[in-house]
Amino acid sequence: NAGVTQTPKFQVLKTGQSMTLQCAQDMNHNSMYWYRQDPGMGLRLIYYSASEGTTDKGEVPNGYNVSRLNKREFSLRLESAAPSQTSVYFCASRSQLGIGVWGHQPQHFGDGTRLSIL
Amino acid sequence: AQKITQTQPGMFVQEKEAVTLDCTYDTSDPSYGLFWYKQPSSGEMIFLIYQGSYDQQNATEGRYSLNFQKARKSANLVISASQLGDSAMYFCAMRGISGGGADGLTFGKGTHLIIQP
Repeated sequence: NAGVTQTPKFQVLKTGQSMTLQCAQDMNHNSMYWYRQDPGMGLRLIYYSASEGTTDKGEVPNGYNVSRLNKREFSLRLESAAPSQTSVYFCASRSQLGIGVWGHQPQHFGDGTRLSIL
Repeated sequence: AQKITQTQPGMFVQEKEAVTLDCTYDTSDPSYGLFWYKQPSSGEMIFLIYQGSYDQQNATEGRYSLNFQKARKSANLVISASQLGDSAMYFCAMRGISGGGADGLTFGKGTHLIIQP
């Protein structure tokens, strides 16, 4: 029962390097999300994907790109890492089948990727 | 825009006591969902409980219940008979029908709950 799987779990980069964070879910969910969590703050939405082939910006998209490779996978790319992008990154997914009349459904999160940029 | 406010940065509670974690929200969406998540020191985000804005009854899930007061825009989490394993960060979050411009959750800054034996 894997749920949402993120790789890697930890990564240290130098300023200017690039990398891709991987996320895969096995729950057949349509919607997927990337958040970042900074010390003393809640999670903030970077990008999301409502379905395969679509992506949209969230609250803090600058410096990131995403790819929804297929229904299972949603990757986050840092093209030129900056120290301000040091954070814990969470991937999440959500079913389109909602609770109740209005279709709200909880998001299920991966274990996070701790990214440090020196 | 949506906003979640959690006014208790940290709380210390004796084991077996009940705990109330405060959450107030602001939104212009007519329909919204309110969620509570637990983040233990290991870092994962664990979904606890959900309340829909049009739900007639307060949500309950085992030892967790949600004290939802729509007119006051508050959605406080109540944990009954607290246990040492309840020590964690707790986040209140919401999703509007419009998603606040994006289909994601808006989170508060969290409350760090420590259960003392």
